Amino acid sequence: IAGITQAPTSQILAAGRRMTLRCTQDMRHNAMYWYRQDLGLGLRLIHYSNTAGTTGKGEVPDGYSVSRANTDDFPLTLASAVPSQTSVYFCASSESSNSPLHFGNGTRLTVT
Amino acid sequence: AQSVTQLDSQVPVFEEAPVELRCNYSSSVSVYLFWYVQYPNQGLQLLLKYLSGSTLVKGINGFEAEFNKSQTSFHLRKPSVHISDTAEYFCAVRDTGTASKLTFGTGTRLQVTL
Repeated sequence: IAGITQAPTSQILAAGRRMTLRCTQDMRHNAMYWYRQDLGLGLRLIHYSNTAGTTGKGEVPDGYSVSRANTDDFPLTLASAVPSQTSVYFCASSESSNSPLHFGNGTRLTVT
Repeated sequence: AQSVTQLDSQVPVFEEAPVELRCNYSSSVSVYLFWYVQYPNQGLQLLLKYLSGSTLVKGINGFEAEFNKSQTSFHLRKPSVHISDTAEYFCAVRDTGTASKLTFGTGTRLQVTL
């Protein structure tokens, strides 16, 4: 079934450690996004990529980095995790920046 | 920049009753509007969208929403809810400019009981 695969499903991470959340899509969508979901705050955009080779900052980019080496993959890296990065992270894609988003099932990250 | 307000964090309703989930937006330009649904431990799924044309938009699972430009609202409605409609519902908006990104509301938890 076509869609977005996120890994891992959940992770407990010690503060200060480096972590990469993986996201792969098989729909050949041009645009990809990373959101974090926190209770009472909804979803907030971390980083996005309109097409392979380009990335941009969203609403809450600090402490995160992304890369888009090809169309299918859009990994999110936390260089040195902090407890405030405890959240559920969702990867999404869209055919173009004007199209509706398709979401993965999320990664639940706990930073201790 | 655009913003979205979902005033109701939780809406309890009995099965087979009608429901309305409220969404108001703010933007200085034209917008596209969306409703997404999130079931437990899953990602968000598109419920319906307004891009242009008719202001009454029908989506999946019997939901519909009406775009009201004068009141800057995009309320979601269903005439008769089912237990399986229990989920979190998110309203989202983006400006029609190509550089604009989607902004989500804080969500409304719909709890359907017998």
